[in-house]
Amino acid sequence: EPEVTQTPSHQVTQMGQEVILRCVPISNHLYFYWYRQILGQKVEFLVSFYNNEISEKSEIFDDQFSVERPDGSNFTLKIRSTKLEDSAMYFCASSDPSSSYEQYFGPGTRLTVT
Amino acid sequence: GENVEQHPSTLSVQEGDSAVIKCTYSDSASNYFPWYKQELGKRPQLIIDIRSNVGEKKDQRIAVTLNKTAKHFSLHITETQPEDSAVYFCAAPLYNQGGKLIFGQGTELSVKP
Repeated sequence: EPEVTQTPSHQVTQMGQEVILRCVPISNHLYFYWYRQILGQKVEFLVSFYNNEISEKSEIFDDQFSVERPDGSNFTLKIRSTKLEDSAMYFCASSDPSSSYEQYFGPGTRLTVT
Repeated sequence: GENVEQHPSTLSVQEGDSAVIKCTYSDSASNYFPWYKQELGKRPQLIIDIRSNVGEKKDQRIAVTLNKTAKHFSLHITETQPEDSAVYFCAAPLYNQGGKLIFGQGTELSVKP
């Protein structure tokens, strides 16, 4: 069964550094999402992406964040200058255009900012 | 915008008992309601969902019920097993906002053997 994949599984970075989190959505999916989950809290929406542009973004997704689909398979989240409060688990999700409601999540990248 | 409230935050049951988790939502336009199970350190996994044209859906030991009038939906797990122990999240999407999922706060279910 196809799955969303994410790399790396764990990223440690220093405050102020740039990080890029990578995702490979399920191949026939056209809707892509990033979510964030701070330890012990609920999953929070960051951004949705469709047809090579952002569909919606949350207030968390400020100018320090950007997303890109650099080729036909990868979907990336970049944080330009990380802050301590960016430490969280970041999940990528994708959904199928014929069933756009069902979102499938990747295994997540644990980002630790020191 | 959509607001999803989930109760209880923790639930402890004996193996074999039933567990019920409830969610309410605010946007009457919502018409799809998924439930995710998240084991410690793992991804949220879609376990069951319901669309607004039905009131109940079952899949083996799990079921979801929906009351659109009251704007609430519930997850029912029967004959609970220790491997059901996890955090369960309900969610509702906002289609006019890119399909983003608004999650409930989560319920930590503990099934004691």
